[in-house]
Amino acid sequence: DADVTQTPRNRITKTGKRIMLECSQTKGHDRMYWYRQDPGLGLQLIYYSFDVKDINKGEISDGYSVSRQAQAKFSLSLESAIPNQTALYFCATSTSGTYTDTQYFGPGTRLTVL
Amino acid sequence: QQQVKQSPQSLIVQKGGISIINCAYENTAFDYFPWYQQFPGKGPALLIAIRPDVSEKKEGRFTISFNKSAKQFSLHIMDSQPGDSATYFCAASRLIYNQGGKLIFGQGTELSVKP
Repeated sequence: DADVTQTPRNRITKTGKRIMLECSQTKGHDRMYWYRQDPGLGLQLIYYSFDVKDINKGEISDGYSVSRQAQAKFSLSLESAIPNQTALYFCATSTSGTYTDTQYFGPGTRLTVL
Repeated sequence: QQQVKQSPQSLIVQKGGISIINCAYENTAFDYFPWYQQFPGKGPALLIAIRPDVSEKKEGRFTISFNKSAKQFSLHIMDSQPGDSATYFCAASRLIYNQGGKLIFGQGTELSVKP
């Protein structure tokens, strides 16, 4: 079984719709992240959470919101989707208390906004 | 602003050759420099990482070379194989104990190893 799962894997939606992407992990990690991947731009951090009560904006948080429902669940919402939010979205996890920063990524959600 | 710049954007190497991908960073407070490998349809996965207290780290065919004064680091893949064909991302973060986690990624390099 995958340690970090994302649902849905693919989603096509229309401009103005509200979309929620979900992430679950069984690794027992306290830290969770949402990234966006665009060709030629690499991975950009949208939001990150170091524990259930800690939510922080990343590099490109405008137009996005998140909810950390439990240690194992972190969801990303697009309140009113627009075409330039078409991208590949990744959830990742890591654990605090180490001197490395290995992040474990889910398989990604491909989102298309028409 | 792009704090980590990666080049080239794409790279084609013959089987058995050496693949070299370069990254440059701006923030001198960065103290952790990982490389991630991503296969099509998969999420990125950590390949190898280095701290700035060493100039080189080797794991099998993969080597990171680090130049602190030049604020540059590179990934060398020796004896490149078709199975190494993937997208590679460099990254950097400020790894203060219990406060790290904000990886800044480069733009990615699409490597193709021809048989």
